[in-house]
Amino acid sequence: EDQVTQSPEALRLQEGESSSLNCSYTVSGLRGLFWYRQDPGKGPEFLFTLYSAGEEKEKERLKATLTKKESFLHITAPKPEDSATYLCAVFYGQNFVFGPGTRLSVLP
Amino acid sequence: GAVVSQHPSWVICKSGTSVKIECRSLDFQATTMFWYRQFPKQSLMLMATSNEGSKATYEQGVEKDKFLINHASLTLSTLTVTSAHPEDSSFYICSGRQTEAFFGQGTRLTVV
Repeated sequence: EDQVTQSPEALRLQEGESSSLNCSYTVSGLRGLFWYRQDPGKGPEFLFTLYSAGEEKEKERLKATLTKKESFLHITAPKPEDSATYLCAVFYGQNFVFGPGTRLSVLP
Repeated sequence: GAVVSQHPSWVICKSGTSVKIECRSLDFQATTMFWYRQFPKQSLMLMATSNEGSKATYEQGVEKDKFLINHASLTLSTLTVTSAHPEDSSFYICSGRQTEAFFGQGTRLTVV
C-alpha cells in the first residue's frame, strides 16, 4: 500500500538544539518529494523539492536530504520562529500525497 | 515563486446556506488547480482537481453536488460549499501546481 509517514508526530526542542524530522514513503515511481512549513491558520509554505536519492538542499537553518525510502529535514540551531508544522508530500504517478506532519516547538 | 491568492481567509455561515471560496493564480496561468481540506492537527486531504474549461475530478468520498467547483478561467477556480452543515467546518486550501505546489492562504469555514 502506498503510504507517507512522518516522525515524530511532535517535537519540542530548546533553542539551539539541532534535530531531524523524518518522512518515510512506500510508493512506486517517485517523481518528487516536497517539504513545506505550515503555521497555524495558514496555507503550507513551500520549502524544498528533492527529485532523486542523494540529493540535498539547504535554506538557512534547514537542510533536506533524500534516500530511496525516506527524507530527512535537518534543523540546525533552531530558533523559536522555526516553530511550525512541517509537512512532506510525495509526488508519484499522478498522485500528490501529504504526510501527517511533525509539529515542532522551539522553546527560547 | 508563484503566488496563489485565496479569499476569504475566514467565513462564518449559517447551516443550510452556501459559501463560495475563490482561488486565484496571480502570476501564472493554471490549467489545473487543487482543493484540499484540513481538519485540526491533521494533514491536507485532496478533495478535487479543478480543470479549466471542464469538469472537476473529485476524490473518492467527496460529494460533487455538495462541493461545486468552477474553473472558468486560467487564473480563477472557485469552490462552493452548498447547503453547509456544521460537519463541513474545516480549513480549505487551494493550490496551483507548477513544478512545486504553491498554496493559497487557506479559508477557515465555520458553519453554525
